Amino acid sequence: DGGITQSPKYLFRKEGQNVTLSCEQNLNHDAMYWYRQDPGQGLRLIYYSQIVNDFQKGDIAEGYSVSREKKESFPLTVTSAQKNPTAFYLCASSMEDTWYNEQFFGPGTRLTVL
Amino acid sequence: GQQVMQIPQYQHVQEGEDFTTYCNSSTTLSNIQWYKQRPGGHPVFLIQLVKSGEVKKQKRLTFQFGEAKKNSSLHITATQTTDVGTYFCAGRKGAQKLVFGQGTRLTINP
Repeated sequence: DGGITQSPKYLFRKEGQNVTLSCEQNLNHDAMYWYRQDPGQGLRLIYYSQIVNDFQKGDIAEGYSVSREKKESFPLTVTSAQKNPTAFYLCASSMEDTWYNEQFFGPGTRLTVL
Repeated sequence: GQQVMQIPQYQHVQEGEDFTTYCNSSTTLSNIQWYKQRPGGHPVFLIQLVKSGEVKKQKRLTFQFGEAKKNSSLHITATQTTDVGTYFCAGRKGAQKLVFGQGTRLTINP
């Protein structure tokens, strides 16, 4: 059953701690993305990767880091430098990062920083 | 940078009424994609429009892409409770990144 998995679904962390969100896909997609969703603000791009061992900053990359060591995996680390980390984080993938490809989203991780 | 504005932000209708959400870009787009996010869920791709003036239908949903490829609309005829959710448009200009609108949250009174 192909798809994107994100874990955990809910995550609680204390302020000042780094936290890593998992994203795995078995769709054999080259491109992967991380979005942040806040109420009333739609989806904002944090980082994206077009191919293994390569990634680029999106619109709101400050306070976040990623890695892409395997095609299937694109973990996101929310660092203590992120000023307002509480949000819903969505991982997505597409066959390629081209204009005509749709994106497939994972179920998301809701991060709450206390 | 490229911006995609979507209105209204919220819409509440009685079941059976029609619903429309509008998407406007500051620049000409290569394509428009529409996604639906059910409450508590994740965005799911609905459709893509590419050609100027294109109209596509999916049962009670009608999608339009403007002649200038700067605006788009999604119209739902005779809403049902299963239509509840947030509808996002997302546009792209060439090699630039996909930019999402803020979404329109649709609630329905049964």
